[in-house]
Amino acid sequence: AAGVIQSPRHLIKEKRETATLKCYPIPRHDTVYWYQQGPGQDPQFLISFYEKMQSDKGSIPDRFSAQQFSDYHSELNMSSLELGDSALYFCASSQGGLLEQYFGPGTRLTVT
Amino acid sequence: KNEVEQSPQNLTAQEGEFITINCSYSVGISALHWLQQHPGGGIVSLFMLSSGKKKHGRLIATINIQEKHSSLHITASHPRDSAVYICAVGLVIFGNQFYFGTGTSLTVIP
Repeated sequence: AAGVIQSPRHLIKEKRETATLKCYPIPRHDTVYWYQQGPGQDPQFLISFYEKMQSDKGSIPDRFSAQQFSDYHSELNMSSLELGDSALYFCASSQGGLLEQYFGPGTRLTVT
Repeated sequence: KNEVEQSPQNLTAQEGEFITINCSYSVGISALHWLQQHPGGGIVSLFMLSSGKKKHGRLIATINIQEKHSSLHITASHPRDSAVYICAVGLVIFGNQFYFGTGTSLTVIP
C-alpha cells in the first residue's frame, strides 16, 4: 500500500540558508500535518492543512511557512535557517473526517 | 504541564516479559494514538483508539475515556520491540493537532 512520502530524506544546509521540505500524502488523504522533532525531544506540532487551507497552527516559527497544493501535497519552507532548526521533520496525512494519521519517514535536516 | 503524561519514561525488560506502558491525558480528545519510533527512525502508528480495546499480534491497547487513561501492553516481549513508544492524543478532527506524550524508551534484553 502507498505510504506518505517525504523528500528529501536528508538535507544539509548552512546557517541563514533556505530549505524546502516536501510531503506527499497517501492517495485520497486531504489533511497534512507537519511535526518537528529535535534531538532527544518529543515531536512538536508545527502546522496542518485540510483541503488546502491551514487548519491548525502550533509552534511554527515566523521564518517557516507552509502550504498545501491542489494535488494535496504540502511543502514546508524554512528561511534564515538556524542551528536550532536541525531536527527530524515528520509529515503525516489523514482523511479529514477520520482521525488516523499516517506518518512519513521524515526528513532529517542538519544546519551547520 | 504536559497535556499527555506517560509512564514509565524508561523500561528495561527481559525477553518474554509482559510489558505495560501507561498514558494519561488532561484534555478532552476524539482519539488516541500509540506510536512506535526506533532510534533515528520514523514514526509508525500502532493503534488509533477512540474507545475500548484493540489487539494486533502481541500488542494490545486499551483506553478508558472517563478516566482519561490508556495502556499499551506487549505480551511475550522480544528484543525487536526495543523502541520508544509514544502516546499522542487528538482533540478534534479536520486537521487539529495531536499532542504527544514524552515517550517511553523500552529496551528488551535477550
